[in-house]
Amino acid sequence: DAGVTQSPTHLIKTRGQQVTLRCSPISGHKSVSWYQQVLGQGPQFIFQYYEKEERGRGNFPDRFSARQFPNYSSELNVNALLLGDSALYLCASSLAFVFMSTDTQYFGPGTRLTVL
Amino acid sequence: GENVEQHPSTLSVQEGDSAVIKCTYSDSASNYFPWYKQELGKRPQLIIDIRSNVGEKKDQRIAVTLNKTAKHFSLHITETQPEDSAVYFCASQFLLDQGGKLIFGQGTELSVKP
Repeated sequence: DAGVTQSPTHLIKTRGQQVTLRCSPISGHKSVSWYQQVLGQGPQFIFQYYEKEERGRGNFPDRFSARQFPNYSSELNVNALLLGDSALYLCASSLAFVFMSTDTQYFGPGTRLTVL
Repeated sequence: GENVEQHPSTLSVQEGDSAVIKCTYSDSASNYFPWYKQELGKRPQLIIDIRSNVGEKKDQRIAVTLNKTAKHFSLHITETQPEDSAVYFCASQFLLDQGGKLIFGQGTELSVKP
C-alpha cells in the first residue's frame, strides 16, 4: 500500500524563477494539505484542498498557489522565488477535510527546495 | 491567535530513562492533538494522537496525556532507546471554515545516549 509520494525530491532554483511541486495522496484519501518546513522549525500550513477546492490558506503571499486534480493529486506553485523560500515542502493527505472522527494527516517525504 | 508552545527545545536522556515533552495550545476549540517524530532528512511520522474526548492514550512505550482545561498535552516515552533519538513535534488542529489545519510546536530534539 503506497504512502504519500512527492516529486521531485530535491530542486535548486535561482531567485525570480518559478517552481512546481507535485504530490500524490494515499489511495482513497481526498484531502491534500501543503506545509513549509524551514530548517530547525515545525511545519507551517500553506494550503488545504478537498474535492479540488481550496478549503484553507495559511499566511503566505499570493506567489504561492496550488490546485488539486480529479484524481486528488495536487500541485504547489511558487512564483518569483526568494531566498527565504528555501525549505522542505511537505504534502500531507487525509481521508476528509474535517478531522472529526479518526482522520489523520500522513506526510510525504517532502521536496527540498534550495533558492540561490 | 493560533499558537502551540513546545518545551523543552532539546532533551538529553540516558538509555532506559523516561522522556517527557510538553505542549500548550491557544485555541480552546482544538480537539485533535497528534505527535510526529522526524528523523534527520526524513518526513514527519505520526507516532500517537489523542482526541479531546480522551484524557490519556498509550501505545507500548509511548503515552500522551491531555488536559483540556489547562490546554496542555504531553508526550511520555518510557524505557528510551537510542533509536528514539529524533526531533519530536506536537501539533493541534485548528478548524477553518471548511477544513482544518495543524499548528505545530517548535520541536524537541531528543538525544538518547547509550
